[in-house]
Amino acid sequence: DSGVTQTPKHLITATGQRVTLRCSPRSGDLSVYWYQQSLDQGLQFLIQYYNGEERAKGNILERFSAQQFPDLHSELNLSSLELGDSALYFCASSQNPTGGGETQYFGPGTRLLVL
Amino acid sequence: GNSVTQMEGPVTLSEEAFLTINCTYTATGYPSLFWYVQYPGEGLQLLLKATKADDKGSNKGFEATYRKETTSFHLEKGSVQVSDSAVYFCALRYSSASKIIFGSGTRLSIRP
Repeated sequence: DSGVTQTPKHLITATGQRVTLRCSPRSGDLSVYWYQQSLDQGLQFLIQYYNGEERAKGNILERFSAQQFPDLHSELNLSSLELGDSALYFCASSQNPTGGGETQYFGPGTRLLVL
Repeated sequence: GNSVTQMEGPVTLSEEAFLTINCTYTATGYPSLFWYVQYPGEGLQLLLKATKADDKGSNKGFEATYRKETTSFHLEKGSVQVSDSAVYFCALRYSSASKIIFGSGTRLSIRP
C-alpha cells in the first residue's frame, strides 16, 4: 500500500459527459501528479500540483483540468468525454516538487471507460 | 527529446530462469533512472532506482546498473518466481523536472 488513495476505482460513462477523479496523497506529501495510461499512448504525465499551485503541465488536453485543495487532495476533471479518453488514470505524490531521485508514490488508479 | 526504450513483450519464462529486460534511454545530462512494476490490477510500485552513473539499484532480487556509456539500465534477476509476473516499466527523471518519462512497459509471465 503506497498510502496514495484514489476514488472511484472504476468509472463507466458516456461520450460527452463529465467526470471527476479524486486523489489523496500520502501524509506529508505536498506534490501531486496525474498520469494517464492508455494502450496506444502508454503512460503519460498530465499535470502536477505542489501545495495548491499548478507546477508543471504535460500532455493534458484542454478538456481536462485539475486542482489541489487546501487539504492537499486533488481532483482531475475530464469533460466532453470521448471514446479515446478511456484509460487508467494514476495519481502519484511526493514530498518535493522536483528532485530526480525522489520517489513518486502511485495510487491504485481509476479505470475510466467511455461508451 | 528525452525517451526510454524497452524490449517488447510479452516475455515468458519458466520459474527459476534468469531474467533480463533491456532498457535504453535518450537524454541529455544525467537523469535518475527507475524501474517500476505493475502487478495485475494494481498501481505502479517503485522497484529500484539509480541516481548517477555506475550506481546499482537493487530490490527483491532484482538489479539494474546505470551505464552512462551505453545509456542503458537493464533489469536482471537471477531466478524468477511466478509471483514476479507483472508489467515492468523503465523510466527516467531529471532533478529539475516534475514528470517521469516512462518506457512502454514489458509484460513478464512466469510459468510454474
